Amino acid sequence: GESVGLHLPTLSVQEGDNSIINCAYSNSASDYFIWYKQESGKGPQFIIDIRSNMDKRQGQRVTVLLNKTVKHLSLQIAATQPGDSAVYFCAEKAGAGNMLTFGWGTRLMVKP
Amino acid sequence: KAGVTQTPRYLIKTRGQQVTLSCSPISGHRSVSWYQQTPGQGLQFLFEYFSETQRNKGNFPGRFSGRQFSNSRSEMNVSTLELGDSALYLCASSLGRGGEKLFFGSGTQLSVL
Repeated sequence: GESVGLHLPTLSVQEGDNSIINCAYSNSASDYFIWYKQESGKGPQFIIDIRSNMDKRQGQRVTVLLNKTVKHLSLQIAATQPGDSAVYFCAEKAGAGNMLTFGWGTRLMVKP
Repeated sequence: KAGVTQTPRYLIKTRGQQVTLSCSPISGHRSVSWYQQTPGQGLQFLFEYFSETQRNKGNFPGRFSGRQFSNSRSEMNVSTLELGDSALYLCASSLGRGGEKLFFGSGTQLSVL
C-alpha cells in the first residue's frame, strides 16, 4: 500500500518468512514497471522489472505480479533476510524515454 | 564496470545562490535522468537527456536546468536556490532505448540554508 509524505507504511516480517509489498499505480497507459530497493544513504537499486504484456516475472527470490485490470503491482520476496531491510519503491513508465513515476515507498523491516 | 558517479556527495548552499551537480553515467549508457528526492514529495522526475538532447521534462520551475555532453556526462543546475530545494538529487543512467532499467548513483545531498 501507499502512504503520503513522511509516514511510509511499514511491513515487519520475521527472517525466513515471505514478504509481499503492494503498489497501486495511476496511469492505465503505463507499459513498463520496475521495483527498486533503497537503503539508507544510497541510491535506489534495481530489483526486478516487468512489461505490460506480462502478468508475472520471477527473479532470484523475487517475483513481481502485475494486475492491469485494477492497476496493481506487487513484489514478493521469498525467505526474507535481514539484508532485505530497506525502503521499496515501485515505479511506472508511460510514453517514450525513461521518465519514471515513483510510488511513495514501503519500508520493510526484517526481524532476526 | 564502474557505476553511476555523482559529485559532490554533499553540498551546503545559502538561499539565492546557484549550484551545479555532476553525473557520470555507466560506460556505454547514453541516457541520463535526474530525480529529486524529499521526505515530503518522494522521488520526482526532473528531466532526461539522451544524446545531448532533453527527451523528457518533469514539472519543475525553470530554475532547474540540465545538459548532457558528448561523452554522456550530465550536469544539472539550480539557480536562485530556495529552502525547499534541499533534497537528495539522484542521477540515473541507462542504455537509452526507453522502457529499460535505470541505474542510480548515490546522489548529491543538497542543503539550502
